[in-house]
Amino acid sequence: EAQVTQNPRYLITVTGKKLTVTCSQNMNHEYMSWYRQDPGLGLRQIYYSMNVEVTDKGDVPEGYKVSRKEKRNFPLILESPSPNQTSLYFCASSMGQGVGEKLFFGSGTQLSVL
Amino acid sequence: AQRVTQPEKLLSVFKGAPVELKCNYSYSGSPELFWYVQYSRQRLQLLLRHISRESIKGFTADLNKGETSFHLKKPFAQEEDSAMYYCALLTGGGNKLTFGTGTQLKVEL
Repeated sequence: EAQVTQNPRYLITVTGKKLTVTCSQNMNHEYMSWYRQDPGLGLRQIYYSMNVEVTDKGDVPEGYKVSRKEKRNFPLILESPSPNQTSLYFCASSMGQGVGEKLFFGSGTQLSVL
Repeated sequence: AQRVTQPEKLLSVFKGAPVELKCNYSYSGSPELFWYVQYSRQRLQLLLRHISRESIKGFTADLNKGETSFHLKKPFAQEEDSAMYYCALLTGGGNKLTFGTGTQLKVEL
C-alpha cells in the first residue's frame, strides 16, 4: 500500500533530550516535507527536501534538523527539545521536485516536551 | 509574503443546508490553490485544486483573483462532511505550500 509512515505515533519526553521522528515513504517521491500543527496556527512548514541531499528551511525551522540521505527517508531531529516544540507533527511527500499534484501525509506524531 | 486566511475557526450547519468555507489569500505571483481535508482519525488529504476545476464529494471552489478568494462550497451539507478543512497556497516555484489556520466544519442533524 502506498503510504507515508511516521514513527512514533506518540512521544513524551523531557527538555533537552535529543529525539528523532522518522518518516518513510514507499512511493519513490522526490519531495518530502515536515509540518507542525498547532491550535489556531494551522500547519506550518518546518523543513522540506526536493531530493536526496537537498534540504531547505520552511517557515519555522528553529530548533529542528533534517537529513535526506536516502530518497525514502526524511527524519526530523530535535537536538535539544523545549516545551514550545510540543505539537502535532506531520510528514508529507509528493511526486516531482516540488509539491506538485498533491501531498501525501503521514498519520502524525504527537510530541509532548515536559 | 504569501498568506492564507481562513476567518472561521468553526462553522456549524444543519444537514441539507448550503456550506461555504471562506479562504482568502495574499500573494504577488500567480496563485495555485488547494483545499485539504482531515476527517476524524484520518490523515490530511487533498480534496481539490483550483487548476482541475473539479467537483469532489459535491464540493467546488472557484478562484476569484479580483477578490483574492478561493471559497469552498457545497449546496447540501452531509453528516460525513464534518471535518477540518485547510486552504493552501502553492508558492516558491512549487516548493512551498502555505496553509491557512483551518476551519472545523460540523454538520448537525
